[in-house]
Amino acid sequence: GDSVTQMEGPVTLSEEAFLTINCTYTATGYPSLFWYVQYPGEGLQLLLKATKADDKGSNKGFEATYRKETTSFHLEKGSVQVSDSAVYFCALRATGRRALTFGSGTRLQVQP
Amino acid sequence: EAGVTQFPSHSVIEKGQTVTLRCDPISGHDNLYWYRRVMGKEIKFLLHFVKESKQDESGMPNNRFLAERTGGTYSTLKVQPAELEDSGVYFCASSQTGRERGEQFFGPGTRLTVL
Repeated sequence: GDSVTQMEGPVTLSEEAFLTINCTYTATGYPSLFWYVQYPGEGLQLLLKATKADDKGSNKGFEATYRKETTSFHLEKGSVQVSDSAVYFCALRATGRRALTFGSGTRLQVQP
Repeated sequence: EAGVTQFPSHSVIEKGQTVTLRCDPISGHDNLYWYRRVMGKEIKFLLHFVKESKQDESGMPNNRFLAERTGGTYSTLKVQPAELEDSGVYFCASSQTGRERGEQFFGPGTRLTVL
């Protein structure tokens, strides 16, 4: 079945450091890929998405590129801020389905 | 525009008791989803409503879980009787049909603790 694997956290960085959170997936066909973020006390928010191979999703300085050859969708940000502290979830939606398949989440803690 | 709301935010019950979780989707959203995250693991899909009909309930773990969406508006998820392994965070999401391939908007979740 479909699955998403993302790096375990927590990830602790200093402000302005470079961030990478790895995400790989297993799915048949051509899934859509997503990163969701959950800030403390809030629901999940869509951060960015990509719907086909080589697409790059971007938002709020975060980027991720849909790499079909490596089945990956790694999240990157060049300079993190304290306000980026949150839990980040990688997810996919398989072709023909509405349900999302999530990874286990990666907690990011950014220190001033 | 109000987002997806869930009630209660927290619930602590004893094993064997019954709990009912409620989700109010964004107004006008025909699609409603339930997910849960157990023990800090991945968020898992439970089921999907289109209006009042269950479109996909492949993720429902067993018959102790009953979801309803009367009138195609809010939804309830009842757990009866609750077991220890049901503890976790239950998320609800909603989406429109036929727009942006149905981006899902999530509520803040209900944290359920079964003692």
